Amino acid sequence: DAKTTQPNSMESNEEEPVHLPCNHSTISGTDYIHWYRQLPSQGPEYVIHGLTSNVNNRMASLAIAEDRKSSTLILHRATLRDAAVYYCILANSNSGYALNFGKGTSLLVTP
Amino acid sequence: KAGVTQTPRYLIKTRGQQVTLSCSPISGHRSVSWYQQTPGQGLQFLFEYFSETQRNKGNFPGRFSGRQFSNSRSEMNVSTLELGDSALYLCASSFRGINEKLFFGSGTQLSVL
Repeated sequence: DAKTTQPNSMESNEEEPVHLPCNHSTISGTDYIHWYRQLPSQGPEYVIHGLTSNVNNRMASLAIAEDRKSSTLILHRATLRDAAVYYCILANSNSGYALNFGKGTSLLVTP
Repeated sequence: KAGVTQTPRYLIKTRGQQVTLSCSPISGHRSVSWYQQTPGQGLQFLFEYFSETQRNKGNFPGRFSGRQFSNSRSEMNVSTLELGDSALYLCASSFRGINEKLFFGSGTQLSVL
């Protein structure tokens, strides 16, 4: 199974950028990199995903390393509502392997 | 547009019993996947159904099973419950599968006593 490694926790000040790292050294060529976040007492919420190129949407940016062995989720201006657990996962419905979110990175945002 | 609906929201069972959880996906979505979330193991994939067929499966024992109906609604069954099965069970739906944007329900909190 392709696996990801994330720090257990990170802290940021409100209105500052946040860079959440993810290592996925065993990624295959057809694995997509997905990011989800989970607020307390809620199901996970999609944030962003990409394959090779950097991606931007209204929530965040995803920077993917050239060798694709790592990626970084960028929140441009953290707000208190961004405090959540962030999961980096690899998804490939053609491979048949399990899609495990693991424990993610718990982001604390302080005012 | 209604989101993913999971019922019941909370459930209490005793060891040895069985339980069935239900998931109604977003209209038009044909893929439903199930996950178990515990403090110790995090969020783990159970299985995925697409057009009434199980397409992917995680590393869980055979006590965990599921099915999908023609209207894409899905059920998950756990037989011979163990204390360690206490968890939040989440389902997610998407149009085509687990490698695209998933929409999650709020989950069913199962407590096994």
